[in-house]
Amino acid sequence: EAQVTQNPRYLITVTGKKLTVTCSQNMNHEYMSWYRQDPGLGLRQIYYSMNVEVTDKGDVPEGYKVSRKEKRNFPLILESPSPNQTSLYFCASRPTGPYEQYFGPGTRLTVT
Amino acid sequence: GQSLEQPSEVTAVEGAIVQINCTYQTSGFYGLSWYQQHDGGAPTFLSYNALDGLEETGRFSSFLSRSDSYGYLLLQELQMKDSASYFCAVGTGFQKLVFGTGTRLLVSP
Repeated sequence: EAQVTQNPRYLITVTGKKLTVTCSQNMNHEYMSWYRQDPGLGLRQIYYSMNVEVTDKGDVPEGYKVSRKEKRNFPLILESPSPNQTSLYFCASRPTGPYEQYFGPGTRLTVT
Repeated sequence: GQSLEQPSEVTAVEGAIVQINCTYQTSGFYGLSWYQQHDGGAPTFLSYNALDGLEETGRFSSFLSRSDSYGYLLLQELQMKDSASYFCAVGTGFQKLVFGTGTRLLVSP
C-alpha cells in the first residue's frame, strides 16, 4: 500500500530533551516536507527536501533540523524542544509535477 | 508577507451546493491547490489549478483567476461525509507551499 508513515504518533516530552520524529514513504517520491498545524494557523511548512542531501527552510524552521540521507526517509529533529513546539506535525511527500502531496497520519507532540 | 484568506466556517444542508472562497497575496505563484481534512485525520488532496478556469473532479470543482488572486472550491450534492475542514494552498516556490487557515464545513441533514 502506498503510504507515508510517521512515528511516534503521540509523544509527550519535557523541555530540552532531544527528540526525533521519523517519516518514511514507499512511493519513491523526490519531494518531502514537514508541516506543523496549530489551531487558527493552518498548516505551516517547516522544512522541505527536493532530493537526497537537498533540504531547505520553509516558513517556520527555527528550532528544527532535518536530514535526507535516503530518498524514503526524512526525519524531523528537535534538538532542544520548548513548549511553543507543542503541535500536530505532518510529514508529506509528492512526486514531480503538480502539488498533490500525500500526508502522513500526523504526530501529536506535547512539550511540558 | 504571504497571506491566504478563506472563511472560517460554512454551513449547508445535504444535497446543497457550497462554495468556499480563497483569496491570496503571495510573493510567488505556482498554482492553487485544495485539501480536505476530517477531524483527527491527515489532509488529503482534492484539486489543483495552475491556469485560470474551472477544474472538475466528480462532485468537486475548483476555479482560479490569477488576475484577481482568487479561487474557489465548489462542492455539489453535499453529503454528511463532506463535513470537514478545507484548506487552500498556494505554491510560492518550487517546493514551498503556503496554506490558508482553513474553512470548517458543517453539513446538516
